[in-house]
Amino acid sequence: DTGVSQDPRHKITKRGQNVTFRCDPISEHNRLYWYRQTLGQGPEFLTYFQNEAQLEKSRLLSDRFSAERPKGSFSTLEIQRTEQGDSAMYLCASNTNLGTGGNNEQFFGPGTRLTVL
Amino acid sequence: DQQVKQNSPSLSVQEGRISILNCDYTNSMFDYFLWYKKYPAEGPTFLISISSIKDKNEDGRFTVFLNKSAKHLSLHIVPSQPGDSAVYFCAATDLNFGNEKLTFGTGTRLTIIP
Repeated sequence: DTGVSQDPRHKITKRGQNVTFRCDPISEHNRLYWYRQTLGQGPEFLTYFQNEAQLEKSRLLSDRFSAERPKGSFSTLEIQRTEQGDSAMYLCASNTNLGTGGNNEQFFGPGTRLTVL
Repeated sequence: DQQVKQNSPSLSVQEGRISILNCDYTNSMFDYFLWYKKYPAEGPTFLISISSIKDKNEDGRFTVFLNKSAKHLSLHIVPSQPGDSAVYFCAATDLNFGNEKLTFGTGTRLTIIP
């Protein structure tokens, strides 16, 4: 496995329910990002981890959203009391700042599409 | 406020011709720019990037040009191929900030006509 994986790929839930998504980054990457993409828009930054530390959260991330990366490997994003406005594609990306000399690009997973009914 | 703008929602180009996708930005702190390609039901895939210390970067059929004074960049694809049909996102970041979060434009849907 050489890419970023996300699970589930699709989630349909009823308004008010809680949902949790998982992201497995590329194994040697110490940085992990969550983005949200709605129809007709580009991805929007939600939050960022370096190893296990959550270093920044966007103001888009309301109190109903929480993200963790407990051992600096996989990450989870939980949305409590979902609302219809939470319907979107949730994208995870990873990269490293450990001097690989690369392009500084972020590698994206396939996303989790959330539909709140 | 939209700090990265892609003003053309769609573009159609004949196969073999040049595709030119444009992007404008407003934040003068941005110092690194990337282009991503996205197919339906997949995550964005990195194409090419450019640092603000350069004005051109080339990789095969893809060339990115940066005009810092105009806060404008463009992606040239030549020759265009049917497999290039996808949504293209321009993204920018400030590498000095530490958190290299990307700010994306709204995308341009490129259709290559065989």
